[in-house]
Amino acid sequence: GQNIDQPTEMTATEGAIVQINCTYQTSGFNGLFWYQQHAGEAPTFLSYNVLDGLEEKGRFSSFLSRSKGYSYLLLKELQMKDSASYLCAVRAPGGATNKLIFGTGTLLAVQP
Amino acid sequence: DARVTQTPRHKVTEMGQEVTMRCQPILGHNTVFWYRQTMMQGLELLAYFRNRAPLDDSGMPKDRFSAEMPDATLATLKIQPSEPRDSAVYFCASGLTSRGVSPLHFGNGTRLTVT
Repeated sequence: GQNIDQPTEMTATEGAIVQINCTYQTSGFNGLFWYQQHAGEAPTFLSYNVLDGLEEKGRFSSFLSRSKGYSYLLLKELQMKDSASYLCAVRAPGGATNKLIFGTGTLLAVQP
Repeated sequence: DARVTQTPRHKVTEMGQEVTMRCQPILGHNTVFWYRQTMMQGLELLAYFRNRAPLDDSGMPKDRFSAEMPDATLATLKIQPSEPRDSAVYFCASGLTSRGVSPLHFGNGTRLTVT
């Protein structure tokens, strides 16, 4: 079966750091993606992890531990425009597929 | 920038009517996905095509939903007859099969309201 868990909502302050967690139990694993989705818009790709460890991309970093079935997205120097939903997604195993299974997303509200 | 195009952006219809949603994937992408998004369920995978062949439609209610790719530039999702519980945002996404990063690119979605 597939189970991907994220907190439903989080609140943080402009300029601060926030960590959004994701745990997964899936039948197979071939990479984990984070997407950002602003209200009324399409999800957009943020980051990708397939090996354990931290991937850094500007203000955003993503961490993966495959043995724990755990990932987090770290957002630094928060800006008001970072208010959005953040979606964790696991890619199905097999080289010839890029099928993604999504969690329900974490709605982040950044306050002044 | 290349992008996935979906039409219509909004659709309001009455229960029992047929609804057709269209998607133009990014040129050169060989996989197309249909997802449905609701507040309660998040993004649910409905159907998946690779090189225009349907690979997985296990998430789709078979009695009323159908998905096709008549050519490489068009994917369609039909609901017949529509029901109020079908109200949701339907996203199309395209991508390239790869062992690497290869993220999916999403269209802006079709917001469907069935009354």
